[in-house]
Amino acid sequence: GNSVTQMEGPVTLSEEAFLTINCTYTATGYPSLFWYVQYPGEGLQLLLKATKADDKGSNKGFEATYRKETTSFHLEKGSVQVSDSAVYFCALTPDSGYSTLTFGKGTMLLVSP
Amino acid sequence: GAVVSQHPSWVICKSGTSVKIECRSLDFQATTMFWYRQFPKQSLMLMATSNEGSKATYEQGVEKDKFLINHASLTLSTLTVTSAHPEDSSFYICSAEDTPLQYFGPGTRLLVL
Repeated sequence: GNSVTQMEGPVTLSEEAFLTINCTYTATGYPSLFWYVQYPGEGLQLLLKATKADDKGSNKGFEATYRKETTSFHLEKGSVQVSDSAVYFCALTPDSGYSTLTFGKGTMLLVSP
Repeated sequence: GAVVSQHPSWVICKSGTSVKIECRSLDFQATTMFWYRQFPKQSLMLMATSNEGSKATYEQGVEKDKFLINHASLTLSTLTVTSAHPEDSSFYICSAEDTPLQYFGPGTRLLVL
């Protein structure tokens, strides 16, 4: 079956530090890959996505590249802000067209001033 | 665009009562909606897929008689937790599909006393 593995948190950084949150996946075929962000007490918001190999998704300074050879979709940001503190979920949908999302366990990011 | 609302945002109820949670797509029509459950510091677990005009499809281990889902229109799905017990306390999140993406509601926090 499909699965997503994320690095365990919390990840604690100082403001303006470089961020990497690792995500690897297991899936047959060509899944679409997503990063969602969940701020405290809120639902999930789509942060970025990539639908085919070598695609780079980007939004709000975050980016992730779909690497089929390493089955990875690591999230990066060059300079984090306190407002980026949240839980980040990596997810995929299979290539069948059916839109069921499989989520990773989430990684909490804490950014201090 | 693509806004999904949930109501209520939080609810406290007594054990044995039933609670109804509404999920609405505000600016698009959604043939398919999803209901998730999230325990503290854990990922989202898909409970069921709700299709307008037909029966919901429940994930393995989810009691369909306990978690009643109705998707009566293209903009509204409801989840009713019947005879709620303290172990049903959780954060319930819905999403609505605006193909090919899912858009998430802000969640409903349920506390059963």
